[in-house]
Amino acid sequence: AQRVTQPEKLLSVFKGAPVELKCNYSYSGSPELFWYVQYSRQRLQLLLRHISRESIKGFTADLNKGETSFHLKKPFAQEEDSAMYYCAARGGGSYIPTFGRGTSLIVHP
Amino acid sequence: GAGVSQSPRYKVTKRGQDVALRCDPISGHVSLYWYRQALGQGPEFLTYFNYEAQQDKSGLPNDRFSAERPEGSISTLTIQRTEQRDSAMYRCASSASSLSEQYFGPGTRLTVT
Repeated sequence: AQRVTQPEKLLSVFKGAPVELKCNYSYSGSPELFWYVQYSRQRLQLLLRHISRESIKGFTADLNKGETSFHLKKPFAQEEDSAMYYCAARGGGSYIPTFGRGTSLIVHP
Repeated sequence: GAGVSQSPRYKVTKRGQDVALRCDPISGHVSLYWYRQALGQGPEFLTYFNYEAQQDKSGLPNDRFSAERPEGSISTLTIQRTEQRDSAMYRCASSASSLSEQYFGPGTRLTVT
């Protein structure tokens, strides 16, 4: 079955510390991977997708096919990074993404 | 331009009542998606449309749930004979095409008492 796993419900760090939000996927073929973010009182929005290989707001994510992982990283967390982060995957001939349950990131001052 | 809008933003209804949730996508977007999100979970796919055609409804949990997009723009998700387990956030998203970035609306929080 197609599945996206985010093992951490909550990740709490101090400002300036490195952040890594974990995501593992179980998908046939070569799925497309995404990270979505939802800031407080805002709507869910795309943060980055693996095919773009870009850095958004200092975040990067590397697709590791061997470990079937797509972890989201930022070297120095900022308070404004506090939000819910969802990993998602799409593939196997479907246009529909499967979302993980989300990780709440809290960055303390 | 205006993003995806959903109405109502909050809906409280009694068990057994029917509810209709509305989604107004970004103008010109071909694809429209409905998701349901329970507390502590990620969005779960319900159904999606390209233009007015319902392409996939495999995520609708049972026949009390239905959706339409008659003119290829606004979509309505209808839940008949609501049950408490239907309580959730219902999210709509639209995209320029099936492979393009999805833009989400603010969601409708449905509470069935």
